[in-house]
Amino acid sequence: EIVLTQSPTTMAASPGEKVTLTCRASSSVSYMHWYQQRSGTSPKLWIYETSKLASGVPNRFSGSGSGTSYSLTINSMETEDAATYYCQQGSSYPPMTFGGGTKLELK
Amino acid sequence: EVQLVESGGGLVQPGRSLKLSCAASGFTFSNYYMAWVRQAPKKGLEWVATISTSGSRTYYPDSVKGRFTISRDNAKSSLYLQMNSLKSEDTATYYCARRLSYNYYFDYWGQGVMVTVSS
Repeated sequence: EIVLTQSPTTMAASPGEKVTLTCRASSSVSYMHWYQQRSGTSPKLWIYETSKLASGVPNRFSGSGSGTSYSLTINSMETEDAATYYCQQGSSYPPMTFGGGTKLELK
Repeated sequence: EVQLVESGGGLVQPGRSLKLSCAASGFTFSNYYMAWVRQAPKKGLEWVATISTSGSRTYYPDSVKGRFTISRDNAKSSLYLQMNSLKSEDTATYYCARRLSYNYYFDYWGQGVMVTVSS
């Protein structure tokens, strides 16, 4: 089973600040997918196949990475970006695995 | 508009059974793999089960294999999760989610249904 480790676990960013969230896989994966979950709501697909933005996702978001190291970057933090972000892999499946999440708060 | 609406959750005693349903609309249900993903209170996401378009193939993690059964009725655009021998660690919000057969990510999620396993 591929274990995904996200860092940091929690962080706070000020409006306008650049933010980078990291996801590391225990073995190499072909793609990484990211979900945003705002408090009290269901997860939403945010970035798929490492770098493709899901429908409606602002272009201040980007994704990159390969092998065992992937990242989600926000160019300029906005209020609405405060949420928990989960990475997920399906390259080595089953099982499909998720990272533990990074909670991004507004400073 | 794609909609996935879960139902059937509630409070159940350890060792008992419960069946969840997910009603799908706004897309051709039979063209998609479907899955259940759960989230324990204040915890992360855990994949629970996946079923192929026809229902002929199912997949589970070790944590629920042999206790949970995923099924679907394409004529009713409905997905199900039969949960047997429930344990306290199965307490979670259960989400119904959609994916294409050749993509290993979930593009739409339901609002979730809460299952509490407690005596």
